[in-house]
Amino acid sequence: GAVVSQHPSRVICKSGTSVKIECRSLDFQATTMFWYRQFPKQSLMLMATSNEGSKATYEQGVEKDKFLINHASLTLSTLTVTSAHPEDSSFYICSGGRGYEQYFGPGTRLTVT
Amino acid sequence: AQSVTQLGSHVSVSEGALVLLRCNYSSSVPPYLFWYVQYPNQGLQLLLKYTSAATLVKGINGFEAEFKKSETSFHLTKPSAHMSDAAEYFCAVGNFGNEKLTFGTGTRLTIIP
Repeated sequence: GAVVSQHPSRVICKSGTSVKIECRSLDFQATTMFWYRQFPKQSLMLMATSNEGSKATYEQGVEKDKFLINHASLTLSTLTVTSAHPEDSSFYICSGGRGYEQYFGPGTRLTVT
Repeated sequence: AQSVTQLGSHVSVSEGALVLLRCNYSSSVPPYLFWYVQYPNQGLQLLLKYTSAATLVKGINGFEAEFKKSETSFHLTKPSAHMSDAAEYFCAVGNFGNEKLTFGTGTRLTIIP
């Protein structure tokens, strides 16, 4: 149990376009979802915490207008990278929270050309 | 405030040898502690967790960890390394009532044939 999916697994987009990444909790309701960014050979950096039906809470230094997060239901959260630039290329991982635990998605590799 | 320190960004062991990955934490409240494993281009998989019950915790794939409050440590061990254990390992700290986790910087485990 406690499976989280992400779609797409890989995406390549051109600079200036927007990209949406979906995160779904398949067999549980995630009242809280987390979005992380991971640079090569580095740890996970928490970008934001989202609660269903309310605005996301962004970590310091994360541009909320660039990384739009929507938590429309207890099983779906989306991250939209707006006006993407090559420096936004990274591995994005979401997780669904249940109690004190987080269950992680498989990640999305974003490449901006 | 919480923090995690993983000593050794890279650890190499021979196949069949003992695996020891170190994790020290800092927390102002009783911690919950987690070890996750990440294979290339994948999300995080929970290996084991400590949530204030037994101090010696057994996880998947033959791994275990011992919570030592006096040493503020939660080191991960496996008696006999297997080639499939080669991956990145992350220690994380959380606490009751808070789904937010703080991750260590990770340790890359290499298995020597």
